[in-house]
Amino acid sequence: SAVISQKPSRDICQRGTSLTIQCQVDSQVTMMFWYRQQPGQSLTLIATANQGSEATYESGFVIDKFPISRPNLTFSTLTVSNMSPEDSSIYLCSVAPGVGEQYFGPGTRLTVT
Amino acid sequence: KNEVEQSPQNLTAQEGEFITINCSYSVGISALHWLQQHPGGGIVSLFMLSSGKKKHGRLIATINIQEKHSSLHITASHPRDSAVYICPLIQGAQKLVFGQGTRLTINP
Repeated sequence: SAVISQKPSRDICQRGTSLTIQCQVDSQVTMMFWYRQQPGQSLTLIATANQGSEATYESGFVIDKFPISRPNLTFSTLTVSNMSPEDSSIYLCSVAPGVGEQYFGPGTRLTVT
Repeated sequence: KNEVEQSPQNLTAQEGEFITINCSYSVGISALHWLQQHPGGGIVSLFMLSSGKKKHGRLIATINIQEKHSSLHITASHPRDSAVYICPLIQGAQKLVFGQGTRLTINP
């Protein structure tokens, strides 16, 4: 298993600003994922972040809006840039330490005013 | 048509009742998860299934690969079981495909 922490747990931000969300894992993992969950919706994969390579973004998500860093095997950051109210969501990171396994962080609840 | 459909979308029951949540899918998968999401947003992985049946405490999960169907059962339900239950499919190595989830409310 893997224990994941995220910072911040929640934040209220103003339109036009940026927020960086941190994800820390208690063990080394190759594959890390960032998800967004808009109000009342299910999770949507933003990107896959593997250490040592550029993040792979899903359709509808771009690096300029959601830059991701993956400096080592236990840490990643997701930045939500130039925020608008439509970015208000829960952002979750997850890791996949083994085939088929996936563990989720507690999430970051973002409100943009 | 969504690749994964859950039913019911919303379920309200009394404490102690036996609960069944269903998950049907239309694509080939390597396995399927059952996740529990509490109102605060955090997600707990309950089961990963590729065949048969798994049990953990009051929770039982089954999957029938031929029929492309999985069920999650909760025995002796309790208000703390109130959450959204999600059954993402695992396609390929790690890609998860999410449905809309089932919102379960257990009243005391």
